Amino acid sequence: QVQLVQSGAEVKKPGASVKVSCKASGYTFTSYGISWVRQAPGQGLEWMGWISAYNGNTNYAQKLQGRVTMTTDTSTSTAYMELRSLRSDDTAVYYCARGGQLDAFDYWGQGTLVTVSS
Amino acid sequence: DIQMTQSPSSLSASVGDRVTITCRASQGISNYLAWYQQKPGKVPKLLIYAASTLQSGVPSRFSGSGSGTDFTLTISSLQPEDVATYYCQKYNSGFGQGTKVEIK
Repeated sequence: QVQLVQSGAEVKKPGASVKVSCKASGYTFTSYGISWVRQAPGQGLEWMGWISAYNGNTNYAQKLQGRVTMTTDTSTSTAYMELRSLRSDDTAVYYCARGGQLDAFDYWGQGTLVTVSS
Repeated sequence: DIQMTQSPSSLSASVGDRVTITCRASQGISNYLAWYQQKPGKVPKLLIYAASTLQSGVPSRFSGSGSGTDFTLTISSLQPEDVATYYCQKYNSGFGQGTKVEIK
């Protein structure tokens, strides 16, 4: 069965970086993209961007351009999302999901809480 | 960027009621639209893709329609387990702000 398993919770100081991983299993990793979505406490879903697991092409939300980098490691079927220059309003649950460019998100990771606090 | 606007932001209805949520795109997006359900404290779940195709395993009381800029999610007979926040999303782009559905 398809599974996306994310790395554990992180606590970071303002200005630091965080890198969240998303390990996929149960399907051919390079046949689908991986998207990242975050949700601040009590808020709605915010799309962060997408990466093709086939060729590494990316599409980032304009708001995060310059601070976010999405990568994949096809040898381990793992996607990564790195967010730099963290601020308190980056505190959120970060989700990876399968799909993105021309399809919906049919499978989701369990979420990773990133807390930014001094 | 294409903006997605949902209405209403919240609603309260009785069990068995027909519930309709609308989503408007700031420009035409063909049928590249999905609907998600998120229950409190849970991971979002795909309900509808390609504007009107029901995801496998989703109850048939959920349906979607629309194309271009205007879309609708309908719950034909609201059930207690449908209490959740519903989001529309244009593929590879942002989400609507969400519609919180409660039981009256």
